[in-house]
Amino acid sequence: EAQVTQNPRYLITVTGKKLTVTCSQNMNHEYMSWYRQDPGLGLRQIYYSMNVEVTDKGDVPEGYKVSRKEKRNFPLILESPSPNQTSLYFCASRSSGAGETQYFGPGTRLLVL
Amino acid sequence: GQQLNQSPQSMFIQEGEDVSMNCTSSSIFNTWLWYKQDPGEGPVLLIALYKAGELTSNGRLTAQFGITRKDSFLNISASIPSDVGIYFCAGISDNAGNMLTFGGGTRLMVKP
Repeated sequence: EAQVTQNPRYLITVTGKKLTVTCSQNMNHEYMSWYRQDPGLGLRQIYYSMNVEVTDKGDVPEGYKVSRKEKRNFPLILESPSPNQTSLYFCASRSSGAGETQYFGPGTRLLVL
Repeated sequence: GQQLNQSPQSMFIQEGEDVSMNCTSSSIFNTWLWYKQDPGEGPVLLIALYKAGELTSNGRLTAQFGITRKDSFLNISASIPSDVGIYFCAGISDNAGNMLTFGGGTRLMVKP
């Protein structure tokens, strides 16, 4: 089954404690992205990757890092989380062809105290 | 970055009514997508539009790609309670490296 998986689904942490949210896709997609969703603000792109070892900032990259060492994985790293990073995070992937469908993961709800 | 203005932000309707929502932009897009997000889930693609003027249906849903390539609308006919959710438009522009830009979402509530 084609899917995007994220772990963990829920996480409560404290300010400053480094965390990683993993994302994996089994569709051999080139493009992968991370979004955060906040009430009234819709989906905002944090980082994206067009292929292995190619990453770039989205609209709200501050406080986040990513890596793309393998095609299937695209972890999101918060080196020093802060309360304003409390949000719902989605990973997504799609093929590089024009108009290809973008698949979303189930989401990770993060609370930073 | 590019922005999509989606309206309305929320709608509360009676079951059986038709619904219309739209997205506009100051930029041109090559592809328009409409997603639905159920509570606790990630967005799921409903309709994809690839050509200016294109009108596409998916069951009770109909979406159109505006002639100017700067807007799109989504209609839902004869709404039912399971239509409840957040609907997002998204655009893909060649000028933005083929990445998606999302609208702010329309929260739909349906009263049985």
